[in-house]
Amino acid sequence: EAGVAQSPRYKIIEKRQSVAFWCNPISGHATLYWYQQILGQGPKLLIQFQNNGVVDDSQLPKDRFSAERLKGVDSTLKIQPAKLEDSAVYLCASGGTGYGANVLTFGAGSRLTVL
Amino acid sequence: AQTVTQSQPEMSVQEAETVTLSCTYDTSENNYYLFWYKQPPSRQMILVIRQEAYKQQNATENRFSVNFQKAAKSFSLKISDSQLGDTAMYFCAFTRGGKSTFGDGTTLTVKP
Repeated sequence: EAGVAQSPRYKIIEKRQSVAFWCNPISGHATLYWYQQILGQGPKLLIQFQNNGVVDDSQLPKDRFSAERLKGVDSTLKIQPAKLEDSAVYLCASGGTGYGANVLTFGAGSRLTVL
Repeated sequence: AQTVTQSQPEMSVQEAETVTLSCTYDTSENNYYLFWYKQPPSRQMILVIRQEAYKQQNATENRFSVNFQKAAKSFSLKISDSQLGDTAMYFCAFTRGGKSTFGDGTTLTVKP
């Protein structure tokens, strides 16, 4: 079974520039999550999708962050404009349905450095 | 909102010995799940062990076991016969309705 794919693995940008991260979850997984992990901290949920609908985006800074899940499969997370405090690893995770939605399979993450 | 606290930022253990990582959480819910995830250096996070809150029996996965104390809201991870490959950051997670809250992790170093 292929895992959760993320790209790019690393990205360095100047503040006020934009960046986009892509995620392809495990085939058949209905639930997709984006987490932000700042160095030395645990992952913090940004947004949760169920198929192509948003379940929870209460922690997503909507003035600069946006996310979509195309046809209930791939997802893109965008930051525009980036701030210094956005430097972090952005983790994508997927889960099944019912109980399976609680068991997360993570991708390798996309490390963002904002200068 | 749920909170998860891991009070040990760093720990070390000698190879082949046993180590216990602590985790406490705060919730008013009765039904939930608890997980331990492992994040090796520069590698992706993987599931170590899970516990359903309605189960009284502590979960065990090979060398990994938990001590789940629901009333005390405590969920510790015991690693027996530690191996060099266990060196990683370990995260405790509280999950309900598919939404997970993570602690800030414990960095475990296994020394040869």
